[in-house]
Amino acid sequence: GNSVTQMEGPVTLSEEAFLTINCTYTATGYPSLFWYVQYPGEGLQLLLKATKADDKGSNKGFEATYRKETTSFHLEKGSVQVSDSAVYFCALSVWDKIIFGKGTRLHILP
Amino acid sequence: EAQVTQNPRYLITVTGKKLTVTCSQNMNHEYMSWYRQDPGLGLRQIYYSMNVEVTDKGDVPEGYKVSRKEKRNFPLILESPSPNQTSLYFCASSPSGRQPQHFGDGTRLSIL
Repeated sequence: GNSVTQMEGPVTLSEEAFLTINCTYTATGYPSLFWYVQYPGEGLQLLLKATKADDKGSNKGFEATYRKETTSFHLEKGSVQVSDSAVYFCALSVWDKIIFGKGTRLHILP
Repeated sequence: EAQVTQNPRYLITVTGKKLTVTCSQNMNHEYMSWYRQDPGLGLRQIYYSMNVEVTDKGDVPEGYKVSRKEKRNFPLILESPSPNQTSLYFCASSPSGRQPQHFGDGTRLSIL
């Protein structure tokens, strides 16, 4: 079946540290991949996306590359800020169904 | 302003009393979907709709109904709510299932 596995949190980093949040997936077919961010008390917002193998999505300093050979879509940022504190969700879309990971809570300390 | 609007935002009710959560989008999107968010479980898709009059089950459809009579509206119906349906619910829309979802602000349901 289809599934998304992302690293459990919470993840706590100091400001300006390097961030990686791992995400791996299983899918029947050729999924589109997404990262969403949820700030406290709000709905989810799209952070970035990739629709085919080797695509790199990027936004606000975050990047993720669609790796078909390792079925991964890891989220990275070179220098995090306190304002990046939120919950991050990896998700896939295949055959009109959408599957989310369980989310990773990120805390950035000043 | 492009948006997905859910109502109500908060609701406390009792077991067995039918309720409807409305969802409306103003972006002319074909695809709409409902999710529930629970601690430790992330978001799980309840139902989705690819177009008017076309709906299908997500991963957790039990205890829920939906309808898609108009493109802009996609209500979620709980015919006989139970406490295990206490959750945070999100409606979302997109041009198609393969494109990013645009989410509403959520509806927090408490079933006593």
